[in-house]
Amino acid sequence: GAGVSQSPSNKVTEKGKDVELRCDPISGHTALYWYRQSLGQGLEFLIYFQGNSAPDKSGLPSDRFSAERTGGSVSTLTIQRTQQEDSAVYLCASSLEQGGNSPLHFGNGTRLTVT
Amino acid sequence: AQSVTQLGSHVSVSEGALVLLRCNYSSSVPPYLFWYVQYPNQGLQLLLKYTSAATLVKGINGFEAEFKKSETSFHLTKPSAHMSDAAEYFCAVSVDNQGGKLIFGQGTELSVKP
Repeated sequence: GAGVSQSPSNKVTEKGKDVELRCDPISGHTALYWYRQSLGQGLEFLIYFQGNSAPDKSGLPSDRFSAERTGGSVSTLTIQRTQQEDSAVYLCASSLEQGGNSPLHFGNGTRLTVT
Repeated sequence: AQSVTQLGSHVSVSEGALVLLRCNYSSSVPPYLFWYVQYPNQGLQLLLKYTSAATLVKGINGFEAEFKKSETSFHLTKPSAHMSDAAEYFCAVSVDNQGGKLIFGQGTELSVKP
């Protein structure tokens, strides 16, 4: 079946603009996660959803970052007033359950470049 | 809180040689441990996972890892490296009470020389 799909695959934006990143999880996966991967920082957890609610949004770097999930499926990560330090690859993952032993399935990411 | 340390940001081996990628974890509760591989411009792919069923875990592509509680380690090995193994490898930990959130190590880039 289809894996986790992220769009766009690449996004170049000017500093100060808003961007929306989209994630389509694997069908039937109830948990959805956003991570950020940047040079020197490794993989940083941003937020996760169980259904449409976000029990843990502790990794969001600032109030410019927000995310939502609708219908227990698609999720969007929004970054307002982008800054150069927001440049990174944003990875989405989903899992069948939210238990610690349920592996995450990752999309190919969205590479965001803020100029 | 949980954490993961991967020793060596870059490892280089010759084709056919043993691959050893080191991972140490910290967790106050029994952990679940994972190794993921990332090929250039791709997402992360699960190699193997430890979920307490067996301490020696076999994964895809001939990789395996052994959970050693006394050493808080979960090192990844492969007896004979192949050119196609060149990639970045991430060790990660999760626990039951945090919704399946993975905490990742910094990653180790594996190079394989012909």
